[in-house]
Amino acid sequence: GEDVEQSLFLSVREGDSSVINCTYTDSSSTYLYWYKQEPGAGLQLLTYIFSNMDMKQDQRLTVLLNKKDKHLSLRIADTQTGDSAIYFCAESSFNDMRFGAGTRLTVKP
Amino acid sequence: ETGVTQTPRHLVMGMTNKKSLKCEQHLGHNAMYWYKQSAKKPLELMFVYNFKEQTENNSVPSRFSPECPNSSHLFLHLHTLQPEDSALYLCASSQDLGGPNNEQFFGPGTRLTVL
Repeated sequence: GEDVEQSLFLSVREGDSSVINCTYTDSSSTYLYWYKQEPGAGLQLLTYIFSNMDMKQDQRLTVLLNKKDKHLSLRIADTQTGDSAIYFCAESSFNDMRFGAGTRLTVKP
Repeated sequence: ETGVTQTPRHLVMGMTNKKSLKCEQHLGHNAMYWYKQSAKKPLELMFVYNFKEQTENNSVPSRFSPECPNSSHLFLHLHTLQPEDSALYLCASSQDLGGPNNEQFFGPGTRLTVL
């Protein structure tokens, strides 16, 4: 079946940039998403990118998409302790949506 | 209320109990989903409903029984659960099942503990 893969853990220092990477296998993906999950909460949509785009920027967040390599990344500039959470990559095609296992981002003061 | 709400937020039940989880969305969406999130596995899709009709049952045991009386409400009825069913159960909704409006909005989840 189609897969979405992410590394499970990332640790950065406060003020540094964080880069969370994701790879997917479905070549028919139309949208790719990043969700954030804080402790005890559901998933919150952070941002998404259409598959014919290669970059999207929203304040401290930058999404890069390499469609040829099926690689998606989320860069968080000036990472803060409040950014500590689990970040899920997801992709959707017409009838389906698949999530990665999530990357736990830990921000150290 | 706005968005996707779930009740209860926490539930502890014995293996012989019968309980129900409730999800409600106030977004006018047509599709609703149940997911299971446990410590040992990635997010698992359980059920999908589109316009109140079930379109996907992802090989979920029959001790989990979904019900979708209308496009705004989704229930998950639980009976004779096992301790390994303890997890966070997330509800989500999207405007449509596929296409450009597939973006899903999640509720806060119900933390279920089966004793």
